Amino acid sequence: QKEVEQNSGPLSVPEGAIASLNCTYSDRGSQSFFWYRQYSGKSPELIMFIYSNGDKEDGRFTAQLNKASQYVSLLIRDSQPSDSATYLCAVGLDRGSTLGRLYFGRGTQLTVWP
Amino acid sequence: EAQVTQNPRYLITVTGKKLTVTCSQNMNHEYMSWYRQDPGLGLRQIYYSMNVEVTDKGDVPEGYKVSRKEKRNFPLILESPSPNQTSLYFCASKWTGGNYGYTFGSGTRLTVV
Repeated sequence: QKEVEQNSGPLSVPEGAIASLNCTYSDRGSQSFFWYRQYSGKSPELIMFIYSNGDKEDGRFTAQLNKASQYVSLLIRDSQPSDSATYLCAVGLDRGSTLGRLYFGRGTQLTVWP
Repeated sequence: EAQVTQNPRYLITVTGKKLTVTCSQNMNHEYMSWYRQDPGLGLRQIYYSMNVEVTDKGDVPEGYKVSRKEKRNFPLILESPSPNQTSLYFCASKWTGGNYGYTFGSGTRLTVV
């Protein structure tokens, strides 16, 4: 069983603050890591992906990956009320019977208050 | 526009009445998948397909069937729906390699009474 764990939250931050979302995974063979944003009643939307150790920045979003610790995080700088959503972490393997599969965490609910 | 199209968006049905939820993608993706999403349980994979005529069970396949006769279509079939299949369903597609993320459809909210 491929475990992907996220803090369920809810995480509540004031507008303008940094929101930090965390995810751990169990399979050391994991090779690709994704963050999805899901508004209530809507479909998940891909916002970040990362494959290599270190940081990857895209606008206000930074994904951080530490394969040795089996840990991936998402930082949202200058958080806005429109960032209020559930954030899903997904992990991909690329071998054998798991080729192509993504494993999702249960998501962290983020609320950004004005 | 690149997209995954699911139909219907909402469906209320009665126990035991066979139904099909359609899914179509226009991105020539090899890999397609069905998920259900329930409160507190997250996204759980029902079935997936790595290409035409190649399908396999995900984590919660009981009570569902799929087929992949064409690359673009991946219908989900509930032959005898039960109330525990009341859920929000998502179809998704991607390139097969693990380095690619999903594009999701808009979802189908199914209620079985």
